[in-house]
Amino acid sequence: RKEVEQDPGPFNVPEGATVAFNCTYSNSASQSFFWYRQDCRKEPKLLMSVYSSGNEDGRFTAQLNRASQYISLLIRDSKLSDSATYLCVVNMLSFPDSSASKIIFGSGTRLSIRP
Amino acid sequence: DADVTQTPRNRITKTGKRIMLECSQTKGHDRMYWYRQDPGLGLRLIYYSFDVKDINKGEISDGYSVSRQAQAKFSLSLESAIPNQTALYFCATSGSGTTDTQYFGPGTRLTVL
Repeated sequence: RKEVEQDPGPFNVPEGATVAFNCTYSNSASQSFFWYRQDCRKEPKLLMSVYSSGNEDGRFTAQLNRASQYISLLIRDSKLSDSATYLCVVNMLSFPDSSASKIIFGSGTRLSIRP
Repeated sequence: DADVTQTPRNRITKTGKRIMLECSQTKGHDRMYWYRQDPGLGLRLIYYSFDVKDINKGEISDGYSVSRQAQAKFSLSLESAIPNQTALYFCATSGSGTTDTQYFGPGTRLTVL
């Protein structure tokens, strides 16, 4: 089982729609969580961090469910410019009693917004 | 100016050649990483370094080596390039905390003929 799993998509939705992605992680010792956005042939860029209480940034809302070990990203009123691949990222402790951590990327979910 | 830079941005080479990809950062981060990305496979970690004296293998280190010349510089070498090393290579940096995220360079597109 992969440490971080995402539905690869593609999600093809009309402009203005609401779309949601989930990402599951296997290590309960995971410490922090992020969503990155990657445009075609470009570097991944941080979209938002994900906090336990959930957080919102404009049209984007991220949620964390530690009990079920998943995070989600909701995009409201989608724009053409939202078309990209969205990467789920988990920062987890390498060992229970160590301060070392490792960052694991999901394979990404492709989103395509059509006019 | 970009915080994380990579050179070259594009490179075409032949099988058997030695190639070095370079990465520099101005973020003052201790941790640096090299990834490769292939279509449909996502990012895969090649090597990472938590400080100048600390180098670690990632999940796909075979055929690659690295050098951490300074806090700000981390280079990736392909000793004898082969066609299946054709990929997009990214360098990244991060702080040391568990809430720290990664910042990526613009990538190097490498083609091995």
